[in-house]
Amino acid sequence: AQTVTQSQPEMSVQEAETVTLSCTYDTSENNYYLFWYKQPPSRQMILVIRQEAYKQQNATENRFSVNFQKAAKSFSLKISDSQLGDTAMYFCALGGGADGLTFGKGTHLIIQP
Amino acid sequence: GAVVSQHPSWVICKSGTSVKIECRSLDFQATTMFWYRQFPKQSLMLMATSNEGSKATYEQGVEKDKFLINHASLTLSTLTVTSAHPEDSSFYICSARGGLAGVGTDTQYFGPGTRLTVL
Repeated sequence: AQTVTQSQPEMSVQEAETVTLSCTYDTSENNYYLFWYKQPPSRQMILVIRQEAYKQQNATENRFSVNFQKAAKSFSLKISDSQLGDTAMYFCALGGGADGLTFGKGTHLIIQP
Repeated sequence: GAVVSQHPSWVICKSGTSVKIECRSLDFQATTMFWYRQFPKQSLMLMATSNEGSKATYEQGVEKDKFLINHASLTLSTLTVTSAHPEDSSFYICSARGGLAGVGTDTQYFGPGTRLTVL
């Protein structure tokens, strides 16, 4: 069985600061994908970034980047120059392809003005 | 691109009735669609996986006779909650996985969700 663990239920930072959300996972698969999704109060799930496990290079999307440590099964999300609109629940997810996703419990990120 | 819609966005029904929720991929053909359930302040839990023209695969603990899934075309999947009870009240979210050029097959795109309240 696959598991995803997010150990930070809530984080709060000041606007423009950098924040890192942690995620660890466990899987017996060799080929898999990792994702970070954002869920604002509207509850619409929004893809933030994805990482293919067979790629060593860390994925980046503008202000968002990941630190993917395959051996340690760690997949953290770094948000640079945080903005008020980044306030949301952030879910780390494992799976992809034909499989459904396994989600972590989420981290509630609050960006303070 | 890769837009997924759900209808209705919210529904209130009486205990014992059935409710149908539609999930559509608007600008791509989805080889696979997924249904998730999310309780308040909790994470998403996968309920079932459906492929067009095939029977859905349900996760352990999900009653297939209660949560009927039909995936009639590459752009439409429906979830019917039969004989709904108050404990079925939840937020139901679908996602679609692309299978054609221009939309990655490794990423799921989510609908906006349906809030179901059973009285």
